[in-house]
Amino acid sequence: DAMVIQNPRYQVTQFGKPVTLSCSQTLNHNVMYWYQQKSSQAPKLLFHYYDKDFNNEADTPDNFQSRRPNTSFCFLDIRSPGLGDAAMYLCATSRLKNEKLFFGSGTQLSVL
Amino acid sequence: SQQGEEDPQALSIQEGENATMNCSYKTSINNLQWYRQNSGRGLVHLILIRSNEREKHSGRLRVTLDTSKKSSSLLITASRAADTASYFCATDEGGSYIPTFGRGTSLIVHP
Repeated sequence: DAMVIQNPRYQVTQFGKPVTLSCSQTLNHNVMYWYQQKSSQAPKLLFHYYDKDFNNEADTPDNFQSRRPNTSFCFLDIRSPGLGDAAMYLCATSRLKNEKLFFGSGTQLSVL
Repeated sequence: SQQGEEDPQALSIQEGENATMNCSYKTSINNLQWYRQNSGRGLVHLILIRSNEREKHSGRLRVTLDTSKKSSSLLITASRAADTASYFCATDEGGSYIPTFGRGTSLIVHP
């Protein structure tokens, strides 16, 4: 029944070693989002896709990139992770903008 | 950028009591949403209220919206230990239709 699936649940990477987080959805939603959430902080929007239209937040570091090869899948690539990138990464979808979000369980990223 | 601010940051109550959390925001919005997050998990949608609505209910949840004061409240009635979680409001800043989250209220309900 899982509708938004994030893999892996926990990811450990080394400082500077590229890492990819994945998200898939079975809802056929048009919009997919990536949020970064650090401990006891608000989820911070990194970018979102409306279908294939990519929208980058102005303050999202260049180190973060995303791919959406099809409706169901979306990837977050961190090219050179720093210690400050350790966080929970949350993927979410919505059918349209201005509608409720469905979240995955998140990927907890550790950077050693 | 952060739009909503929840108040209080932390709330501790006994089972059976009501819990009220508030959210203030800065710009015009199309809608305001409330979400719940259990520790270390993803967020779960609770209620969406549109800018032309003043109140919505869902089970034990009641949400109000006052656009003149740019504020919203979430009331959980007859709280249960299972309601222990963080609660976030999200607004679409400047009418962008993209949700921006506040820092949340951490609610602890003691059995």
